Amino acid sequence: AQSVAQPEDQVNVAEGNPLTVKCTYSVSGNPYLFWYVQYPNRGLQFLLKYITGDNLVKGSYGFEAEFNKSQTSFHLKKPSALVSDSALYFCAVRDRGNNNDMRFGAGTRLTVKP
Amino acid sequence: DSGVTQTPKHLITATGQRVTLRCSPRSGDLSVYWYQQSLDQGLQFLIQYYNGEERAKGNILERFSAQQFPDLHSELNLSSLELGDSALYFCASSVQGTSGGIDTQYFGPGTRLTVL
Repeated sequence: AQSVAQPEDQVNVAEGNPLTVKCTYSVSGNPYLFWYVQYPNRGLQFLLKYITGDNLVKGSYGFEAEFNKSQTSFHLKKPSALVSDSALYFCAVRDRGNNNDMRFGAGTRLTVKP
Repeated sequence: DSGVTQTPKHLITATGQRVTLRCSPRSGDLSVYWYQQSLDQGLQFLIQYYNGEERAKGNILERFSAQQFPDLHSELNLSSLELGDSALYFCASSVQGTSGGIDTQYFGPGTRLTVL
């Protein structure tokens, strides 16, 4: 079955600096990959997804993610962090052969300090 | 706002009781998914319905059941509640959820269940 690892529970970044939230995945076939963000007391909001094609995916709020097949990674990035980006970020993977089962990582709490 | 609505926002009940959580998908979405988010288990997929029929099952306990009605809203029924069932329960919806799997799931705000 597919799985996702987010190796960092917490990422701290200063406002204006670039940020990276890491994600690695494991699937038997080709993956569909997603990033979601969760603000306090809110549901998950979709940021971006990789289906096929260009390895660099651009999403909402200036976020982007790079699919790296050889490293089985899908790291989330933003060139310049904002304090308002502070939230819980989830990576998720769906195996193309079993598309109804989406697995989420444990989440990474991003804190952007002024 | 994702367009997915869930009621109630909060629910407090006692062990052994039964509760029903309700979800209305985004307009036009045929698929509904239920997830449980707890501190120790993270975000776990429970079950999916597509156009009224069960499509996929995840880590859903036998004490839990769900259904999707003709108007496409869904209900998650939790019975014989235990302390460990305390969690946030999310509903998500997508356009199809059929083979292909590329459609995005949009999440509701969640129902926080507290079992005392």
